[in-house]
Amino acid sequence: GAGVSQSPRYKVAKRGQDVALRCDPISGHVSLFWYQQALGQGPEFLTYFQNEAQLDKSGLPSDRFFAERPEGSVSTLKIQRTQQEDSAVYLCASSLKANTEAFFGQGTRLTVV
Amino acid sequence: AQSVTQLDSHVSVSEGTPVLLRCNYSSSYSPSLFWYVQHPNKGLQLLLKYTSAATLVKGINGFEAEFKKSETSFHLTKPSAHMSDAAEYFCVVNTYNNNDMRFGAGTRLTVKP
Repeated sequence: GAGVSQSPRYKVAKRGQDVALRCDPISGHVSLFWYQQALGQGPEFLTYFQNEAQLDKSGLPSDRFFAERPEGSVSTLKIQRTQQEDSAVYLCASSLKANTEAFFGQGTRLTVV
Repeated sequence: AQSVTQLDSHVSVSEGTPVLLRCNYSSSYSPSLFWYVQHPNKGLQLLLKYTSAATLVKGINGFEAEFKKSETSFHLTKPSAHMSDAAEYFCVVNTYNNNDMRFGAGTRLTVKP
């Protein structure tokens, strides 16, 4: 596709429910990032992949958060047993290679009720 | 580890007057620096980037930024604000060895008629 695609765009989950957020990066992009953006805040780094390798997951807030990119293209961010504080926009970005500009998707707005 | 500080959470200017959005960074290694803009309910868009070439970087929509290593700054400027510039602006730092892009907290730019 022409850009980074994220699905779903909106997700409402009941507290305790598991959710899976999908990111389709730009074809051929090696680097993939996940960010969490709370209302009125800047994006907070969650994790980073280079191809299928997860090189940095230091930003994942708890062991309820898990990300994977098994074939080095599509990535999934999974949140288990969602809590209200998980409500945020989850942004995915990809770049052609390390330290080049990143292109962002529109995000998935997660609301936990 | 690297970090970014955006010195103003909110800047208000009149249409046609200059814009200055301030950013200071901290990095153990030679950084790459970016400015992104986020309009309401829109995705993040790259304005400009510094990657160790020219220290004065020109971006889209008349914006530019100057990398000053001695001051660890990367301030964003525009000679004349337009109403359409009203948005949230984020300064981002990345380092070659880490490639985990870190965002500042953001500066909301308001443009008055």
